[in-house]
Amino acid sequence: EPEVTQTPSHQVTQMGQEVILRCVPISNHLYFYWYRQILGQKVEFLVSFYNNEISEKSEIFDDQFSVERPDGSNFTLKIRSTKLEDSAMYFCASSELPGVRDNEQFFGPGTRLTVL
Amino acid sequence: AQKVTQAQTEISVVEKEDVTLDCVYETRDTTYYLFWYKQPPSGELVFLIRRNSFDEQNEISGRYSWNFQKSTSSFNFTITASQVVDSAVYFCALSVTGANNLFFGTGTRLTVIP
Repeated sequence: EPEVTQTPSHQVTQMGQEVILRCVPISNHLYFYWYRQILGQKVEFLVSFYNNEISEKSEIFDDQFSVERPDGSNFTLKIRSTKLEDSAMYFCASSELPGVRDNEQFFGPGTRLTVL
Repeated sequence: AQKVTQAQTEISVVEKEDVTLDCVYETRDTTYYLFWYKQPPSGELVFLIRRNSFDEQNEISGRYSWNFQKSTSSFNFTITASQVVDSAVYFCALSVTGANNLFFGTGTRLTVIP
């Protein structure tokens, strides 16, 4: 069964460093998403992406965040200068169609980011 | 604005007991979608069900059942004859037409004791 994959599973970084979290969405999916879950809290939407553009973003997704689809398979989330409060589990998701109307978002296993 | 409330932070049941997880939502949209996801200790999010606002029919899938009541803005989830493998955090989520994102509740941690 096709699945969304994410690497690495756990990333440890120093405050102020740049990190890139990688995702490989399901191959025929066209819509991609990043969500964040601070430990013990709810899952929060960060950004959605379609046709090489951001289609929607939350207030969490400020200038230190960026997303990119550098090739035909990867979808990346870059955090330019990490802060302690960026420590969280980051989930990538993809869907065949936009939004959630007639389809589901398939989630990856997550990348746990720890900022020291 | 959209909001999802899961008032039960943690629930513990003994194996084979039935358990209901509550979810109350708020939205001004007339068309919306409700979801339940399971997050086992390994951390991934597992899709369980999607229900649209026009379909109030309750659904049963094996030991799982869902009760959607628009009158009380609730979408409750019942596990019958719980098993240890059901131990996880369960999230209720909401999305509205035209939006790409899911609004999640704070989750309910279910522990099934053998």
